[in-house]
Amino acid sequence: AQRVTQPEKLLSVFKGAPVELKCNYSYSGSPELFWYVQYSRQRLQLLLRHISRESIKGFTADLNKGETSFHLKKPFAQEEDSAMYYCALLNYGQNFVFGPGTRLSVLP
Amino acid sequence: EAQVTQNPRYLITVTGKKLTVTCSQNMNHEYMSWYRQDPGLGLRQIYYSMNVEVTDKGDVPEGYKVSRKEKRNFPLILESPSPNQTSLYFCASSLGLAAATDTQYFGPGTRLTVL
Repeated sequence: AQRVTQPEKLLSVFKGAPVELKCNYSYSGSPELFWYVQYSRQRLQLLLRHISRESIKGFTADLNKGETSFHLKKPFAQEEDSAMYYCALLNYGQNFVFGPGTRLSVLP
Repeated sequence: EAQVTQNPRYLITVTGKKLTVTCSQNMNHEYMSWYRQDPGLGLRQIYYSMNVEVTDKGDVPEGYKVSRKEKRNFPLILESPSPNQTSLYFCASSLGLAAATDTQYFGPGTRLTVL
């Protein structure tokens, strides 16, 4: 069955430090992967999508099919990056499977 | 303003009392979806709809019904709510899914408590 795992419930880093939020998936086929973010008191929104290859707010994510990973990275964390981050997979082009989420806390 | 709206935003009800949570979008999106969010479990898809009159089960459809009679509306129906359906519910819509520019727009959420 298709599955998305995010091993860290909470990740704390200091401002200016690099950040990496881990995401692993299990999927038979070519996966379509996403990162969504939910800032405090805001709606869930798309951060980036694998096929768009865009860098949003300084975040990037590379699909590693060998390791079945889609880790989210940013070289220098900012306090405004503090939020809940969800990795998600589009299953056969129709329905979404989300991971449990990682709460990122960027400390001053 | 382009958006997804949900009503009600908060609801406390009792076991077995039928309820409907409405979802509406004004962006002419074809794809609509319902999720529930529970601590430690993230978002789980309940039902989705690729277009009018086309609905499919997500990962956790038991105890829920949906309908898609018009493109803009996608109500979530709990015929006989139970306490394990206490959760935060999100509706989302997307123009499509395949294009690189396609993105899901989420509603504000409905917090449901079933006593």
